[in-house]
Amino acid sequence: TQLLEQSPQFLSIQEGENLTVYCNSSSVFSSLQWYRQEPGEGPVLLVTVVTGGEVKKLKRLTFQFGDARKDSSLHITAAQPGDTGLYLCAGRGATNKLIFGTGTLLAVQP
Amino acid sequence: EAQVTQNPRYLITVTGKKLTVTCSQNMNHEYMSWYRQDPGLGLRQIYYSMNVEVTDKGDVPEGYKVSRKEKRNFPLILESPSPNQTSLYFCASSLTWVSYEQYFGPGTRLTVT
Repeated sequence: TQLLEQSPQFLSIQEGENLTVYCNSSSVFSSLQWYRQEPGEGPVLLVTVVTGGEVKKLKRLTFQFGDARKDSSLHITAAQPGDTGLYLCAGRGATNKLIFGTGTLLAVQP
Repeated sequence: EAQVTQNPRYLITVTGKKLTVTCSQNMNHEYMSWYRQDPGLGLRQIYYSMNVEVTDKGDVPEGYKVSRKEKRNFPLILESPSPNQTSLYFCASSLTWVSYEQYFGPGTRLTVT
């Protein structure tokens, strides 16, 4: 069974701080996605990375796919209260099914 | 507006009372699926459908049924709900089963007492 572990599980920081969320597995994924979920809503896709070593930037968010395509990270620069939410990684595995990580709950205090 | 809708958004019911959660999408997507979300476990797939009349089990199908009679609708049926089915449920759709972007509905919070 392919699993995706995210760390940390919870993160509470002050506005303006930087942070990194990790998504790790012992399995290889053909692609990896990051979603953000706000209270009372469904997850919304932020980015998809498909090539080992790929780095994508979305304003203050930087996403990286590991060289071996087993892990990924999300770095947020100068976090803002609007970044608050649950961040989920999801990898497309051997059977082409989408497997979701355990989630990281981020709270950015003003 | 392109969207996935679910009803009801909140439901409290008792053990054994059959219920249906509806899901509808207006994007002409072929692929639809149901997930449940529980603390510390992330999103787990219950059932999925690659197209009309084609459905298959996900990772946690026990206690659930689905049907796909029309492309836009994919209801989730709990014939005899039990307390361990208390969860937050999401319906999702994508153009095809290999499409990168999945669109999620707003969720249905179900409590079974």
